[in-house]
Order: sequence, then structure tokens, then C-alpha cells
Amino acid sequence: SQKIEQNSEALNIQEGKTATLTCNYTNYSPAYLQWYRQDPGRGPVFLLLIRENEKEKRKERLKVTFDTTLKQSLFHITASQPADSATYLCALDPTGANNLFFGTGTRLTVIP
Amino acid sequence: DTGVSQDPRHKITKRGQNVTFRCDPISEHNRLYWYRQTLGQGPEFLTYFQNEAQLEKSRLLSDRFSAERPKGSFSTLEIQRTEQGDSAMYLCASSLDRGSTETQYFGPGTRLLVL
Repeated sequence: SQKIEQNSEALNIQEGKTATLTCNYTNYSPAYLQWYRQDPGRGPVFLLLIRENEKEKRKERLKVTFDTTLKQSLFHITASQPADSATYLCALDPTGANNLFFGTGTRLTVIP
Repeated sequence: DTGVSQDPRHKITKRGQNVTFRCDPISEHNRLYWYRQTLGQGPEFLTYFQNEAQLEKSRLLSDRFSAERPKGSFSTLEIQRTEQGDSAMYLCASSLDRGSTETQYFGPGTRLLVL
């Protein structure tokens, strides 16, 4: 069956450190993968998209990698801040119609 | 505010009642999506529209659920004969189809509690 798994439900790190979140998928061959941020009581907010032919994508303190052989994406937040505390979701589009399938999310807490 | 809006933000209803939610997408966006999210889970795709045409429906969308987008602008999601298992956050998203990958913009959601 098709699955999207994010490595942990919760991740606590110290302010200033790099947070690394993992997204693994099985039985998909996505053309791209997206990462979203979700704050409590709010809808997800798009952060980054990485395509299958891209190894790495950066945006300010964010970095995403995509390994289609391992079927894995890593999401990094460098110099983390308490304001980065949120749930981070990875999402795939298996049909090419932009109907996203989401992982369960990782709740990141950055401790001051 | 020109983002996606949803109404109501919260709804409490009794089992067996019908409820209707509204979504107003970003004005120039031609695609509109509905998702459902339960606590501790990621959003689950329900259905989407390209303009006024409903192009895909998930198997999660039982016969009690119906969605419309009559003029290709706002959309409504109706749940008939609600069940306690329908309690969830219902999210709407919109995007502009330019023939390739588009970013989806989500609304704040409607939280439904069925007693």
C-alpha cells in the first residue's frame, strides 16, 4: 500500500541548532514533493517544492533534499528560532493532478 | 484580506443533522480543493474542482457528502445525516492551474464537532 511517513510525531531542539525532519514514502513515484508548515488551528502554509530531478532546494534558513532512490526527503531548518515551532507536513502528488497526499506531520518545538 | 476564507470557522451539531460549509478561494484561482484533517493526522484529500467541474472525488467522500462550485467561484461542502466520525477540521485550498505544478493556498478551516 502507499504510505507517507514522517520520522517522528514530535521533535524538540535547542534554539540556534539545526532541525532535521524526515519524510519517507513507499509505492509512490512522485514528480515532486512539497513541505508545508501548520500552526495550531490554522491551515497549512506552503514552504518549498522540490522536483524529482533536483537534489536540493534552499529558501532562506530552509533546505530540502530529495532522494528518489531512497524514497526520502529531508527538511532542514538552520539557526532555529522559537518562532519556527509548528507542525511540518510533507506532501506528494501521486496522480499529477495536484491532489496532495500528506504525511502525518512532525511537531517541532524550538526551546529558547 | 485576499486569501482563502472559510465560513463558519466552528460548527457544533447533533448527530443526524445536516451541515453546510462555504469556501471562498483566491479570486483568480480556478482550482479548488477540499480536505479533511483529524487530530494528529495530515490533511486527507476529499475532492477538487476545475472551475465549476468536479473532477475527482476520494473514496473517503461517502454518499452523505456533496460538494458544489456552481459558478466556478465559491464552493460549498454539505454533510447530510452527520455522524460522530465526521468530527474533523475541513480545509479548503485553491490554486491557479497554469499547466504545471501549482502551490495550493489553504484557508483557516472549519472545525466540525458532531455530538
